[in-house]
Amino acid sequence: KQEVTQIPAALSVPEGENLVLNCSFTDSAIYNLQWFRQDPGKGLTSLLLIQSSQREQTSGRLNASLDKSSGRSTLYIAASQPGDSATYLCAAYTGTASKLTFGTGTRLQVTL
Amino acid sequence: DAGVTQSPTHLIKTRGQQVTLRCSPKSGHDTVSWYQQALGQGPQFIFQYYEEEERQRGNFPDRFSGHQFPNYSSELNVNALLLGDSALYLCASSYDRGYSPLHFGNGTRLTVT
Repeated sequence: KQEVTQIPAALSVPEGENLVLNCSFTDSAIYNLQWFRQDPGKGLTSLLLIQSSQREQTSGRLNASLDKSSGRSTLYIAASQPGDSATYLCAAYTGTASKLTFGTGTRLQVTL
Repeated sequence: DAGVTQSPTHLIKTRGQQVTLRCSPKSGHDTVSWYQQALGQGPQFIFQYYEEEERQRGNFPDRFSGHQFPNYSSELNVNALLLGDSALYLCASSYDRGYSPLHFGNGTRLTVT
């Protein structure tokens, strides 16, 4: 059974800092790993998707890496802004089960 | 191009009642999955529909059922509501049975009193 863990559960940083969010998963037989952003009371916005054969993906100030052998992924946010404040969720996609298994998220607050 | 749309946005029901939630997938998508997100938790997979059939199911009781229509839209039905069913219900659509990126709707907030 796939289990996904995210550390830290909450993070507060001043504007302009670079930061790293961590995600670990127990079953390395994943098809892809996805990072999402969720604003309070809202749905999920897809940020980055890394296929199992890839090592990293970049989109603007975001960079996500994947190490299947160690069961880890990181989301790097450069030059954080107050608008980045949200909950960030990682999810591992298991093809045989056709489902995403989510972590509980990291709640990020970027202060002025 | 409309994304994933869900209705209603909010719903209040009483224990024991039944509820139906609706989802229209993103244009070009043929697969719909449903997730339940309790407060402060990550979403939990309920089930996936493809070609009008339930293809995969998570660890949810039979009180949770669904349907997919020929136009790929979907419904989630929950019978005999319990207080613990209060949650945000998210619909996600994709093509290729979910191997492509999932696109989520804004969810339906269900409160059971």
